[in-house]
Amino acid sequence: KQEVTQIPAALSVPEGENLVLNCSFTDSAIYNLQWFRQDPGKGLTSLLLIQSSQREQTSGRLNASLDKSSGRSTLYIAASQPGDSATYLCAVLSSNTGKLIFGQGTTLQVKP
Amino acid sequence: NAGVTQTPKFQVLKTGQSMTLQCAQDMNHEYMSWYRQDPGMGLRLIHYSVGAGITDQGEVPNGYNVSRSTTEDFPLRLLSAAPSQTSVYFCASRKGLYSYEQYFGPGTRLTVT
Repeated sequence: KQEVTQIPAALSVPEGENLVLNCSFTDSAIYNLQWFRQDPGKGLTSLLLIQSSQREQTSGRLNASLDKSSGRSTLYIAASQPGDSATYLCAVLSSNTGKLIFGQGTTLQVKP
Repeated sequence: NAGVTQTPKFQVLKTGQSMTLQCAQDMNHEYMSWYRQDPGMGLRLIHYSVGAGITDQGEVPNGYNVSRSTTEDFPLRLLSAAPSQTSVYFCASRKGLYSYEQYFGPGTRLTVT
């Protein structure tokens, strides 16, 4: 059974710092991995999608990497800003079941 | 495009009442799904549909019914609400079962007293 783990559960950093969020998964049979952002009381917003054949994707200050063989992905946020404060979730799309399996998320606080 | 829309945004029910959470998408996506999000439990799949007329159970289907009569709409029915169904419900869609980016609606916050 696919399991997705995100460490740490919470992170607090000063503004301007570069940071890395981690996501690991137990089964490498995936079609893609997606990173989402969730603001308090809101829905999920897709940030980056990495196909299983890709190694990384970039969007602005965000860079996501994927190492399928080791079951790991990282989300790198450059020059963090208070507006980046949110919960970040990763999810893998299982190629066995077609289901999107979520991690528990990392709650990020960027202090001014 | 409006994307994925959900109504209502908030709802309070008494135990035993029934209701339908509405979900619609205007992206012509074949795959639609319902999740519930609870503190400490993350997002859990309730039901999903791979196309009009086809639905299947997810991880936590008990107490919920779905149907998919059109590509656009995927309502979730609570048959007899219980306090354990207090949660935030999200509808999501993507183009197909395998691959593609998934989009989420804004959520419905449900309280059952």
